[in-house]
Amino acid sequence: DSGVTQTPKHLITATGQRVTLRCSPRSGDLSVYWYQQSLDQGLQFLIQYYNGEERAKGNILERFSAQQFPDLHSELNLSSLELGDSALYFCASSPPGQGVGELFFGEGSRLTVL
Amino acid sequence: AQKITQTQPGMFVQEKEAVTLDCTYDTSDPSYGLFWYKQPSSGEMIFLIYQGSYDQQNATEGRYSLNFQKARKSANLVISASQLGDSAMYFCALNEGGGSQGNLIFGKGTKLSVKP
Repeated sequence: DSGVTQTPKHLITATGQRVTLRCSPRSGDLSVYWYQQSLDQGLQFLIQYYNGEERAKGNILERFSAQQFPDLHSELNLSSLELGDSALYFCASSPPGQGVGELFFGEGSRLTVL
Repeated sequence: AQKITQTQPGMFVQEKEAVTLDCTYDTSDPSYGLFWYKQPSSGEMIFLIYQGSYDQQNATEGRYSLNFQKARKSANLVISASQLGDSAMYFCALNEGGGSQGNLIFGKGTKLSVKP
């Protein structure tokens, strides 16, 4: 158990809909990262937050947005869903300060868009 | 250019034997970190081992070791005494900027199957 909690574990929805994925980082971790894992693209970095502020942005679509709240949990919002958005979405967290840089991953939220 | 290249989509190894999973990387940053993660069929990502670009010695963690050849830009994972539970996807990842707060760039992975 990495200590990172993601909900829901599985989600099935229809094209055009909007979903919210939630992540609670490990206790004490200030950084939250979102990754998308699909068969086509592999594991892709979407966005990083550090203590409530956006820190880095990767290949995140404009239809997607994220935020990190004062209690450090994070939400990834996916809107106007398309079939190609079906993927496993991971949240990861890392401890503050300089260090190894290891990311601790949650178990992922598997999104299926029908 | 690909930042991380894993050329072996799939590998087979006999139980109790050693296996090497290849990884090459591409970065111009002098300070970087290399990671290996394991993803079993259940889906979670499990950290295995880390190598910093300035580390003088190859990293080892139990049965895992990293064969770091800086001039060749390779960071191969060696698993000794393979076990059935080692069957999984293995991902090599790069963190540019010294292995600190930064995102990881992952390769496409190698599927390892351990035969009894």
